[in-house]
Amino acid sequence: AQRVTQPEKLLSVFKGAPVELKCNYSYSGSPELFWYVQYSRQRLQLLLRHISRESIKGFTADLNKGETSFHLKKPFAQEEDSAMYYCALIRGSQGNLIFGKGTKLSVKP
Amino acid sequence: EPEVTQTPSHQVTQMGQEVILRCVPISNHLYFYWYRQILGQKVEFLVSFYNNEISEKSEIFDDQFSVERPDGSNFTLKIRSTKLEDSAMYFCASRWREGTGELFFGEGSRLTVL
Repeated sequence: AQRVTQPEKLLSVFKGAPVELKCNYSYSGSPELFWYVQYSRQRLQLLLRHISRESIKGFTADLNKGETSFHLKKPFAQEEDSAMYYCALIRGSQGNLIFGKGTKLSVKP
Repeated sequence: EPEVTQTPSHQVTQMGQEVILRCVPISNHLYFYWYRQILGQKVEFLVSFYNNEISEKSEIFDDQFSVERPDGSNFTLKIRSTKLEDSAMYFCASRWREGTGELFFGEGSRLTVL
């Protein structure tokens, strides 16, 4: 079964500390993975996708097929990074996203 | 920048009533989706729509639900006879092409069933 697991509901760090938001997946075939972010009272928006291998707002995520993981990392957290973060994978040709439960990141001053 | 817009932002209804949630996808997008998020739970796929028909639906999307694209701009989700457990945030999303094209989400419509 296709599944995305985000084990942490809440992650709290201090400003300037490194952040790692964990994501594991279960998928038969080659997965396409994404991180979506939802800032307070805003819509879900794409943060990054594994195929583009880019860094957005200082965040990076590497697909590790051996560990079936796609952890989101940032070396120095900022207060404006506080948000809900959702890991997701695409299922099927229609591009339907399967989401994890989300991790709330709280960055304290 | 074009956005997906949803109305209403919040609707309160009595159990058994019909509800229509409206979405205006980004104008040149071809694929449309509804997701829902029950409070404290994850975002769940409901249905995808392409070329004026449902392309995929989840087990949640039973006979009480329907979707329609009545004109060239709106994409609606109808719940015929609401149940308490339909209370959730409903998100509309659209994409301009298949495959790895990004999904653009609306801000959501919060449905409260009393």
